[in-house]
Amino acid sequence: GENVEQHPSTLSVQEGDSAVIKCTYSDSASNYFPWYKQELGKGPQLIIDIRSNVGEKKDQRIAVTLNKTAKHFSLHITETQPEDSAVYFCAASCENSGYSTLTFGKGTMLLVSP
Amino acid sequence: EPEVTQTPSHQVTQMGQEVILRCVPISNHLYFYWYRQILGQKVEFLVSFYNNEISEKSEIFDDQFSVERPDGSNFTLKIRSTKLEDSAMYFCASSERGRNYGYTFGSGTRLTVV
Repeated sequence: GENVEQHPSTLSVQEGDSAVIKCTYSDSASNYFPWYKQELGKGPQLIIDIRSNVGEKKDQRIAVTLNKTAKHFSLHITETQPEDSAVYFCAASCENSGYSTLTFGKGTMLLVSP
Repeated sequence: EPEVTQTPSHQVTQMGQEVILRCVPISNHLYFYWYRQILGQKVEFLVSFYNNEISEKSEIFDDQFSVERPDGSNFTLKIRSTKLEDSAMYFCASSERGRNYGYTFGSGTRLTVV
């Protein structure tokens, strides 16, 4: 089955700095890679996703890059703000099977200090 | 914005007791999922449900677990005889394939087995 590794486990940055979280996956058939933000006491919320037919996707301060050859993908947050502080999870799935069961990474706790 | 609703938010139960966790997925979604998150660990897949039957389940989802969609709106997870190690946050999610591959997660039910 799929295995997703995520690094770092914790990341502390100053407000305004950039933050990068990296994930690798094992199953070359995986073709859908979402990122979720989980705030304390809440469920994971989808913030951005990328499919294997593109190498990069951007949404305002958030971008995701995908390297299919190396089987890794990264989340980039620019101009970080204190409200970006949360746990971020990467995930991978193969959507060709008719349904998309997500395999999650272990999460990265991002702390943005004012 | 449509939400996935989970009840209760917190459930405390005695070891060996049965619990039912309830979820109301987004109304036009077709795929339903249960995930769990043991404190401080990654989000783990339990089961996916489509067309009134289980489509995939993980090794965690043993004979003690069952799911049901009793009335076309609710989606329940039953644990027949709870164990201490079942203590976790349980997340329900739903998705609509074809237009939006992203999952929408509920806020979770924190299950504490004592």
